[in-house]
Amino acid sequence: DQQVKQNSPSLSVQEGRISILNCDYTNSMFDYFLWYKKYPAEGPTFLISISSIKDKNEDGRFTVFLNKSAKHLSLHIVPSQPGDSAVYFCAASARGSARQLTFGSGTQLTVLP
Amino acid sequence: DADVTQTPRNRITKTGKRIMLECSQTKGHDRMYWYRQDPGLGLRLIYYSFDVKDINKGEISDGYSVSRQAQAKFSLSLESAIPNQTALYFCATSPGATSGKYEQYFGPGTRLTVT
Repeated sequence: DQQVKQNSPSLSVQEGRISILNCDYTNSMFDYFLWYKKYPAEGPTFLISISSIKDKNEDGRFTVFLNKSAKHLSLHIVPSQPGDSAVYFCAASARGSARQLTFGSGTQLTVLP
Repeated sequence: DADVTQTPRNRITKTGKRIMLECSQTKGHDRMYWYRQDPGLGLRLIYYSFDVKDINKGEISDGYSVSRQAQAKFSLSLESAIPNQTALYFCATSPGATSGKYEQYFGPGTRLTVT
């Protein structure tokens, strides 16, 4: 039973437009959420995180939004660039779980020039 | 220079063979992890270690063993490889929980094929 779900395996966006990647979770004990980006033949790279005490965190072109009541988080990339084309994983961590990360299955983002 | 390195990067082996994947880090982190990635399943935790004397099973530890030889080194072994262990394997590190940050930092991965 997947506790972290990314229901869209792929997303295509035009360069310069906004990319919105979504993630849902079921475990109410999760209190810290992360997004990773992965290029082929490389390991995942940490992108941005958010604690459950916040509902938004911004870092340059990347913003993560957290809706605790809906158990939903999203990553917004504005403006999207061709170099953003990668697989994006969301991950979650719970207090008392030794801070293990539980990953979603990933969304392949393609930014079209 | 990479902070987290993995060797080998690619490996093809036969069913029943013993194989070891190695991970080294220069980040000075106490915590180290091994994950596998399968298509459509994201990353799943195999084992993790909070220090040299602290080893813990993850979600999918059956068929695997680990050794934490030093703070900077964490190896994963497949005692008798089987074809469904064909996957991408990633090592990761993180600072202790007292840092208040729970990000993990990943190596480049090892692509393992068991024939």
